[in-house]
Amino acid sequence: QKEVEQNSGPLSVPEGAIASLNCTYSDRGSQSFFWYRQYSGKSPELIMSIYSNGDKEDGRFTAQLNKASQYVSLLIRDSQPSDSATYLCAVSQKTSYDKVIFGPGTSLSVIP
Amino acid sequence: DAGVIQSPRHEVTEMGQEVTLRCKPISGHNSLFWYRQTMMRGLELLIYFNNNVPIDDSGMPEDRFSAKMPNASFSTLKIQPSEPRDSAVYFCASSLARPRGLAGSTDTQYFGPGTRLTVL
Repeated sequence: QKEVEQNSGPLSVPEGAIASLNCTYSDRGSQSFFWYRQYSGKSPELIMSIYSNGDKEDGRFTAQLNKASQYVSLLIRDSQPSDSATYLCAVSQKTSYDKVIFGPGTSLSVIP
Repeated sequence: DAGVIQSPRHEVTEMGQEVTLRCKPISGHNSLFWYRQTMMRGLELLIYFNNNVPIDDSGMPEDRFSAKMPNASFSTLKIQPSEPRDSAVYFCASSLARPRGLAGSTDTQYFGPGTRLTVL
């Protein structure tokens, strides 16, 4: 079992719709969870972090965490073509330091 | 404020040659990470430095890979000899590590633009 799993996509949504990205992880001791956005040919950029169960909202983005189900998601409301990118889920593991493990990423395409 | 700086941005070399990738972290950051990204394997951590000391090199694929951080503002990743399977994008990232035990304290990593390595 991979440590962090995501649907590879591609996920296509029409402009203005809600995009829903999902992620599961295997380490029950994980405490910190992140969503990075990576445009084609660019480096990953942090867009959301979440540490507690429930929802965290930042503008059009909402991260949802359920530690019991080992599940984290990212919702993008009013999707824009500029949101088209690969979204990487990342989860910290408690080793001697907070090691961050990245998922394979989900490719999102927002269709005008 | 300058972000993480990497050089070169692109490198094309022939199998068997030595390759050196360079990274300058964000000033004041005390943690530095080298990652490799490929379509097949995604984003993999190669090595992690804290205060210039290698803490975790379990991701370094084999002895052909080595990394150094001689001071807080510079790190290198060297591949010798290079092989075609080393072709990938190599990212350097830095962060400011806060005291452990602080809830939600995993530190934000800031990525450099990457070096696209092609080994022929």
